[in-house]
Amino acid sequence: KAGVTQTPRYLIKTRGQQVTLSCSPISGHRSVSWYQQTPGQGLQFLFEYFSETQRNKGNFPGRFSGRQFSNSRSEMNVSTLELGDSALYLCASSTGTVGGELFFGEGSRLTVL
Amino acid sequence: GENVEQHPSTLSVQEGDSAVIKCTYSDSASNYFPWYKQELGKGPQLIIDIRSNVGEKKDQRIAVTLNKTAKHFSLHITETQPEDSAVYFCAATYSGGGADGLTFGKGTHLIIQP
Repeated sequence: KAGVTQTPRYLIKTRGQQVTLSCSPISGHRSVSWYQQTPGQGLQFLFEYFSETQRNKGNFPGRFSGRQFSNSRSEMNVSTLELGDSALYLCASSTGTVGGELFFGEGSRLTVL
Repeated sequence: GENVEQHPSTLSVQEGDSAVIKCTYSDSASNYFPWYKQELGKGPQLIIDIRSNVGEKKDQRIAVTLNKTAKHFSLHITETQPEDSAVYFCAATYSGGGADGLTFGKGTHLIIQP
């Protein structure tokens, strides 16, 4: 079956702009989590959505937001971009059960100039 | 919150030798410890996981051990092969209610020398 699809794969923005990233989970998966990956900080949890509700949130500023649609597809938005937002943004889908396996997409590489 | 320390950051071993990566965690409530492998240009992929009610788990050449008292867990790869070259991440979380976010270690770049 198809894996997790993230779009776009690469994008370049300038400071102050905003960006929206999209994630289509594995069919049947109701949970979508987002992670930020940088060389210095590694993988950091942003938030998790389950059945269109944010179920958990990491320690990121309010400029980072997300949502999930009725078909489980998810988007995350970053407003007022800063240079430090340059990172690989990874989406992971799961069934949403306790301790369930996360299936990651290949990520969206964001560069902020 | 949870904090996960991972060592070493880079590990180079000869093909055929064993590799060991170690992680420590801070939150005694954590009870789920997965290991992910990330190849260049790809997202992380789960390779093995362990829950706090067991001390060791094996899957072919890969094994994970957990010491709850000391709050550390390790990944062991035996008979390493070139395709084992990748970045490995350990993670920890408390899975008591919902799919809580994983706290990852900073990763170990494993290099298999031919």
